[in-house]
Amino acid sequence: QVQLQESGPGLVKPSETLSLTCTVSGGSISNNYWNWIRQPPGKGLEWIGYIYYSGSTNYNPSLKSRVTISLDKSKNQFSLKLRSVTAADAAVYFCAREDWSATPGNYYYYMDVWGKGTTVTVSS
Amino acid sequence: SSELTQDPAVSVALGQTVRITCQGDGLRSYYAGWIQQKPGQAPVVVIYGKNKRPSGIPDRFSGSRSGNTASLTITGAQAEDEADYYCNSRDSSGYQVIFGGGTKLTVL
Repeated sequence: QVQLQESGPGLVKPSETLSLTCTVSGGSISNNYWNWIRQPPGKGLEWIGYIYYSGSTNYNPSLKSRVTISLDKSKNQFSLKLRSVTAADAAVYFCAREDWSATPGNYYYYMDVWGKGTTVTVSS
Repeated sequence: SSELTQDPAVSVALGQTVRITCQGDGLRSYYAGWIQQKPGQAPVVVIYGKNKRPSGIPDRFSGSRSGNTASLTITGAQAEDEADYYCNSRDSSGYQVIFGGGTKLTVL
C-alpha cells in the first residue's frame, strides 16, 4: 500500500524559499500525477501543481512564477520549491498521488493517496 | 472555466439523507472526486469516477453527475460523517487540477 510522507522545514523566513520533499513508500513513482496541495489555516484546499512520472509539470497559474516541482525516481521522491514566500504562504502542505482514467465515458482524475501534511509557518 | 462551486454549509438530521453538490464546466468532461476532511486530519477520498468507493468507505456514500453538476449523497448520515467535503476534478482543458471551496456538513 503506497504511503506518502512530507518533510522539510516548518519555519521559513519571508522572501526566502520554501522547500519540501514527499517520500513515496510501499510502491514506486509510477504512471500517476504527483501533486502538491496546500491549506491555509481555516481555509479550503488549494492546488499548487503536479509532476507526471515522465517529468512534465503543470502549475496553478496564481503561483506559477514562484513554483518548481521536481522528481527523483532513484529516491522515490518528489519535491516542491516555492520562492519569495510571504505570510500568505503559511499553510499545511500536502503531497498527493492522483490516479486517472481515460476510458471513454468514464474520464476522471482523483487524489487517491495523501500524505499527512506538514505545517509551514512564515516568520522572521 | 476553472472553478468548482459548492454550498458553504449543509446540515442533516442523524439517520437522514443529505446531498452535497458541486458545479463546474469541467464536470461535463470529468467525473468528480469527493474528499472528506475531518479537523486536523488529512483528506480522504470517499467517491471517485462513476460512483466508485475506495475500500473501507461505507456504502451509504454515493455519487452521481448530471450535466455540469456532481452530487455526493449520504444515505443515513452518521455522527462520524460530520466533516468538510470537497469536490475535485480537472478543468475543461484537462490540465489544471481544481477543488471546490468545500461544504461543511453538520449532523444534528
